[in-house]
Amino acid sequence: EPEVTQTPSHQVTQMGQEVILRCVPISNHLYFYWYRQILGQKVEFLVSFYNNEISEKSEIFDDQFSVERPDGSNFTLKIRSTKLEDSAMYFCASSGTGGGYGYTFGSGTRLTVV
Amino acid sequence: GENVEQHPSTLSVQEGDSAVIKCTYSDSASNYFPWYKQELGKRPQLIIDIRSNVGEKKDQRIAVTLNKTAKHFSLHITETQPEDSAVYFCAPRQGSNYKLTFGKGTLLTVNP
Repeated sequence: EPEVTQTPSHQVTQMGQEVILRCVPISNHLYFYWYRQILGQKVEFLVSFYNNEISEKSEIFDDQFSVERPDGSNFTLKIRSTKLEDSAMYFCASSGTGGGYGYTFGSGTRLTVV
Repeated sequence: GENVEQHPSTLSVQEGDSAVIKCTYSDSASNYFPWYKQELGKRPQLIIDIRSNVGEKKDQRIAVTLNKTAKHFSLHITETQPEDSAVYFCAPRQGSNYKLTFGKGTLLTVNP
């Protein structure tokens, strides 16, 4: 079964540092997303990406965040200057044609800001 | 934006019993209604979904029912097993974009 792959699985960073989280969506999917989940809480939408541009972003996705699809396979989330409250599990997801049904989530990157 | 409420927040059942989790949403434009299962430290996994033109869908021990008029949909698990223990999230999707709005989750515990 096709998978969404995320790297790294764990990342520890100093407050104020930049981090890049990487994702390889399912190859024939067209829609890409980032979500985050603070420990013990619900999954929160950050951003959706389609046709090489952001289609929607949440209030959480401020100027410190950016996304990129630098080539035909990778999809990245960059946090420019990390804060303690950015500590969370970050999930990448992708979905296919037909209205974006059938989300598949990656296994996540646990980001810890110290 | 979409307001999603999920009840109950915790549910404890005996093995073999049924479990029902209900999700209410506010956006009448929502047209896709999935349920996700999340085990500790793992990704959300889609277990069943339903589209807005269908009232009920079943897959072995799992079923989802949708009431669009009342804006709620429910997850039904029959003959529960200990391995069903997890957090379950509803995540309705709005019509014009593909954002999922997750509920706060229901911790289901199935006691052997």
